[in-house]
Amino acid sequence: AAGVIQSPRHLIKEKRETATLKCYPIPRHDTVYWYQQGPGQDPQFLISFYEKMQSDKGSIPDRFSAQQFSDYHSELNMSSLELGDSALYFCASSIRVQRHGYTFGSGTRLTVV
Amino acid sequence: GEDVEQSLFLSVREGDSSVINCTYTDSSSTYLYWYKQEPGAGLQLLTYIFSNMDMKQDQRLTVLLNKKDKHLSLRIADTQTGDSAIYFCAEILLTGGGNKLTFGTGTQLKVEL
Repeated sequence: AAGVIQSPRHLIKEKRETATLKCYPIPRHDTVYWYQQGPGQDPQFLISFYEKMQSDKGSIPDRFSAQQFSDYHSELNMSSLELGDSALYFCASSIRVQRHGYTFGSGTRLTVV
Repeated sequence: GEDVEQSLFLSVREGDSSVINCTYTDSSSTYLYWYKQEPGAGLQLLTYIFSNMDMKQDQRLTVLLNKKDKHLSLRIADTQTGDSAIYFCAEILLTGGGNKLTFGTGTQLKVEL
């Protein structure tokens, strides 16, 4: 079965650089969620999209932005990177009304040096 | 997350049962979940329970829900070394724009021979 695909798997950036993370949801899933997991931390909700519109916003810094495209894939853009942005970034997708159907991708590990 | 609490660490012997506990605060939670995360890996959905249920069993996994006390537990029977991982409970918070998962702090399960 198709899963949530995230790219890249690993990314190393320098401080003040920009990074773009991509997420390809499971086909026919209409909702995408982004989470950030720092070392030894639980995943923290960043932002979600339903049918290409932002549906909820969590603890996402102003330096970050995200969007969902017409093919339902989503991109998380991170600018002016800081050392503290080093984390695992997960994307999940679901069919909005099926609350038991959240599937997570394998994550992108971002390291800021 | 601050609203969902778990004990940080649990150590059991192979073959014993493991019980991982979680307390949550949002009484309007409709679905509660258990996720497993192995080192450096993504979040794997193990099981979920709807809030009008008291118990759900799925092979070696048993979920108990005490809605009055807002207490959720995951019992793993015949625990194996492959069960060593971090286990997160999560609840759905119904927000104005959609549904988002809020994770607990995670419990690291260590299975010893």
